[in-house]
Amino acid sequence: GNSVTQMEGPVTLSEEAFLTINCTYTATGYPSLFWYVQYPGEGLQLLLKATKADDKGSNKGFEATYRKETTSFHLEKGSVQVSDSAVYFCALIPLSFQKLVFGTGTRLLVS
Amino acid sequence: DVKVTQSSRYLVKRTGEKVFLECVQDMDHENMFWYRQDPGLGLRLIYFSYDVKMKEKGDIPEGYSVSREKKERFSLILESASTNQTSMYLCASRKNTGELFFGEGSRLTVL
Repeated sequence: GNSVTQMEGPVTLSEEAFLTINCTYTATGYPSLFWYVQYPGEGLQLLLKATKADDKGSNKGFEATYRKETTSFHLEKGSVQVSDSAVYFCALIPLSFQKLVFGTGTRLLVS
Repeated sequence: DVKVTQSSRYLVKRTGEKVFLECVQDMDHENMFWYRQDPGLGLRLIYFSYDVKMKEKGDIPEGYSVSREKKERFSLILESASTNQTSMYLCASRKNTGELFFGEGSRLTVL
């Protein structure tokens, strides 16, 4: 079946540190991949996406590259800010275009 | 920008009450979803709808029903609220490229 595995949090960083949040997936074929962000007390917002192998999604200084060979979609940012503190969800939608499959979320704390 | 509006941000209900959670989207999306989010459990799909008057059970439909009489509106109904339905409820609509757009969430407390 389809599944998404994210690193457990919380991830605690100092301002301006480099961020990596790992995400790996299991899916049949080539799904589309997403990162969502949830700020405290709010719903989820789409952060970035990639629809095919080697695509790089980017937004607000965050990047993630669709790696078919390692079935990964790791989220990175070169210099985090306090305002980046949130929960980050990795997700996929399979080719059948049915339900999105979410990871369990990784909390990022920046101080 | 897509806007998904959930009618209530915070609700407090008593055990046995009937609860309606309303969700409206303004982008003519065909697919709409209801999730609940609980600490440590991530996002769990309750029901989804591919079109008007169509509905399908998600992963945890027990104790819930839904209504989709108009394309823009998708309602979640708790026929007889119980304390284990205390949760954050998130509505989403889906663009035809796969990504979901979420509302702000409705935090329900059942006493």
